[in-house]
Amino acid sequence: SQQGEEDPQALSIQEGENATMNCSYKTSINNLQWYRQNSGRGLVHLILIRSNEREKHSGRLRVTLDTSKKSSSLLITASRAADTASYFCATDALGDSSYKLIFGSGTRLLVRP
Amino acid sequence: GAVVSQHPSWVICKSGTSVKIECRSLDFQATTMFWYRQFPKQSLMLMATSNEGSKATYEQGVEKDKFLINHASLTLSTLTVTSAHPEDSSFYICSADTFGGGEDTQYFGPGTRLTVL
Repeated sequence: SQQGEEDPQALSIQEGENATMNCSYKTSINNLQWYRQNSGRGLVHLILIRSNEREKHSGRLRVTLDTSKKSSSLLITASRAADTASYFCATDALGDSSYKLIFGSGTRLLVRP
Repeated sequence: GAVVSQHPSWVICKSGTSVKIECRSLDFQATTMFWYRQFPKQSLMLMATSNEGSKATYEQGVEKDKFLINHASLTLSTLTVTSAHPEDSSFYICSADTFGGGEDTQYFGPGTRLTVL
């Protein structure tokens, strides 16, 4: 399976603290994306980082990519209770007729007020 | 931004019946749509890739005769769960690809929760 692994599986922090989630994958990629999912809802795209990029920022989000280690990290700074959600990394893979996304196992983040 | 809708948002049905779930791209044309399945506290598992006007490509282990996919237009794909059983109860999520627009991002629908009694 190409599905990546994320750690930790669950993370509980205090509001205001930083949250770091890690993702590892198995095959070569063109890009890696991070998504957020609130309980029982669809996914929201957070950020995309291409294989030739090492770091990318978007607001309070910072994503790093190390293609030599096949790993990525998502850092959420100054967390808020509203950041409570599950976070998934997804890597692209070429399917039979188009590319497809392979999702990691996810990290469930709880930000305590 | 790109918006994808799903209908219904939840459905309860009796074992043995068929259920159809619609996925629509509201403000863009989607050449490719994807169907995922998600069990509680687990990740999304890709079921099939749906291209407009052609047969869907199913992932290994997904029964094509049980999960019928139709992508009749550039804005609509449907997933029909045939002869549903309790083990088919899950959260089904679709996404649409804006690759043709120069981005490599999939936009996801809000999901459909299927409960089979």
